[in-house]
Amino acid sequence: GAGVSQSPSNKVTEKGKDVELRCDPISGHTALYWYRQRLGQGLEFLIYFQGNSAPDKSGLPSDRFSAERTGESVSTLTIQRTQQEDSAVYLCASSLDGGGLEQYFGPGTRLTVT
Amino acid sequence: KQEVTQIPAALSVPEGENLVLNCSFTDSAIYNLQWFRQDPGKGLTSLLLIQSSQREQTSGRLNASLDKSSGRSTLYIAASQPGDSATYLCAVRGVTGGGNKLTFGTGTQLKVEL
Repeated sequence: GAGVSQSPSNKVTEKGKDVELRCDPISGHTALYWYRQRLGQGLEFLIYFQGNSAPDKSGLPSDRFSAERTGESVSTLTIQRTQQEDSAVYLCASSLDGGGLEQYFGPGTRLTVT
Repeated sequence: KQEVTQIPAALSVPEGENLVLNCSFTDSAIYNLQWFRQDPGKGLTSLLLIQSSQREQTSGRLNASLDKSSGRSTLYIAASQPGDSATYLCAVRGVTGGGNKLTFGTGTQLKVEL
């Protein structure tokens, strides 16, 4: 079946603009994760959704970052008033549930803030 | 705070060689450890997942071991091929902090030469 998909694959935006990144998880996966990978650094956890539970937002770096998920489907990560340090690859992953099963990653969105 | 370290940062070997990649983590309270490969411009591909109660997992030419008490994992690649060239990441799912996120190492960049 289809894997995790993300759009757009690349996004270039000007400093100060808002951006929305989209993630479509694998059908039937109740858990969804967002990570960020800045150049030369490891992946950083941002946020986790599990079913209808309150999301774990502990990794969001500032209040300019927010994410939503409708039910067990699509998720959108929004970055307001983008800064150059937001430039990174944003990766989404999903798993069948949140109970320690494998996480399957999408191809990522490369965000460049000029 | 969980920290994950991977050694070496980069490795270049001739085709056919067996090799070992190392991963260490500071907090042994984990649910599982997962090894991924990342190809340039692409997302992560899950290779092996080892639950905290397991000692090793095997898939084809890959074997991953876990020594939870000492905070170490190794990924063994047998008879390496040029197609194995990629960045290899290990990630642990920790118990503390809700157990909802993976903490990643910065990776080992592997090049297998003809």
